Amino acid sequence: AQKITQTQPGMFVQEKEAVTLDCTYDTSDQSYGLFWYKQPSSGEMIFLIYQGSYDEQNATEGRYSLNFQKARKSANLVISASQLGDSAMYFCAMRSNTGNQFYFGTGTSLTVIP
Amino acid sequence: EPEVTQTPSHQVTQMGQEVILRCVPISNHLYFYWYRQILGQKVEFLVSFYNNEISEKSEIFDDQFSVERPDGSNFTLKIRSTKLEDSAMYFCASTVGGQTYNEQFFGPGTRLTVL
Repeated sequence: AQKITQTQPGMFVQEKEAVTLDCTYDTSDQSYGLFWYKQPSSGEMIFLIYQGSYDEQNATEGRYSLNFQKARKSANLVISASQLGDSAMYFCAMRSNTGNQFYFGTGTSLTVIP
Repeated sequence: EPEVTQTPSHQVTQMGQEVILRCVPISNHLYFYWYRQILGQKVEFLVSFYNNEISEKSEIFDDQFSVERPDGSNFTLKIRSTKLEDSAMYFCASTVGGQTYNEQFFGPGTRLTVL
């Protein structure tokens, strides 16, 4: 069975500082994809970044980077130079090649403090 | 940029009534999904749909739920007899393919309130 775990229900970060949001996963599949989504208070789900299980380099997208440690089955999201607009819920998700669905973690609520 | 659309944005209904939530996935996408999110909680998978049939469904997706792609563009979720606990945000999503790297594009959601 696939499982995503986000152990930080809430995080605070000072504006302009970096923050790491944790995500661990459990799967027996060899091929899978890991995704991070942002959900602001308005409710929409915004795709941030993707990491493939066979990717050798950590994914980066602007201020977002993914610290992928395959042996530890972790895919932590790093947000650099936090901005007030980064305050939102962040969900880690996984898709394996043995099914179509995405598995989501419980989310981390990030608050950026001015 | 193409996007997934959902209507209505908010639906209020009485317990026991039927509701139909509508979605228009991105036009060249082949895989379609419904998720729900009870306020403040995790996103829960309901069903995936490919090649005009359900490919996976969760335990939540019982006989009260059904999905349909009636006309090649719309993708609907029907709840036959709503319960109070069906109150949630319902997200439609689509992907272009079935590969692990295919990003899921989400619609803006429909907030369902069952009174």
